Amino acid sequence: DAGVTQSPTHLIKTRGQQVTLRCSPKSGHDTVSWYQQALGQGPQFIFQYYEEEERQRGNFPDRFSGHQFPNYSSELNVNALLLGDSALYLCASSLAFGVLAGYTFGSGTRLTVV
Amino acid sequence: TQLLEQSPQFLSIQEGENLTVYCNSSSVFSSLQWYRQEPGEGPVLLVTVVTGGEVKKLKRLTFQFGDARKDSSLHITAAQPGDTGLYLCAGVKGGGADGLTFGKGTHLIIQP
Repeated sequence: DAGVTQSPTHLIKTRGQQVTLRCSPKSGHDTVSWYQQALGQGPQFIFQYYEEEERQRGNFPDRFSGHQFPNYSSELNVNALLLGDSALYLCASSLAFGVLAGYTFGSGTRLTVV
Repeated sequence: TQLLEQSPQFLSIQEGENLTVYCNSSSVFSSLQWYRQEPGEGPVLLVTVVTGGEVKKLKRLTFQFGDARKDSSLHITAAQPGDTGLYLCAGVKGGGADGLTFGKGTHLIIQP
């Protein structure tokens, strides 16, 4: 039973560039959430997608955008990268109305901005 | 502003000892989840507590949700090296569309 798959696993980008991260949710899940985890910190909620629409958004600037496809997979796009965007980006899938069952997280994409 | 405060931030103890990790907030959550994260991996769900005062046991781990649904604790009995990891508490508000609000985590090291 495949869990959440994220790609790529590691990425190095230059300040000012743009990046796209990808996520395939766990089979049967219809909702995808994205989190940013800085070194030594807990994950911070970026946004959540359900039915191909952004359902809710955390305290992140518009440089962070996303998309969900009909097959429930998702992309996270970050424009005009800053050094402070360096972090582990986690994708989590769940059921839209089954939050008590918890979220299944991928292993993340480690983004380094130089 | 960190809505969920975890303590201690770091804990290193010997195998066989007991420990308690705390998760406190001034906000009320509809439920609270505990996750464990190992280096290079995403968090893995341990438990969800929903009802104020609820206690759940998972082998040597005991989780409690405060009566007012603002705080929680994780108690580990007879810790083992395999318990080493980052323990994260995460609050859920409403139906969950707002995502999880995580604490900074407790880095736990169990020395053999």
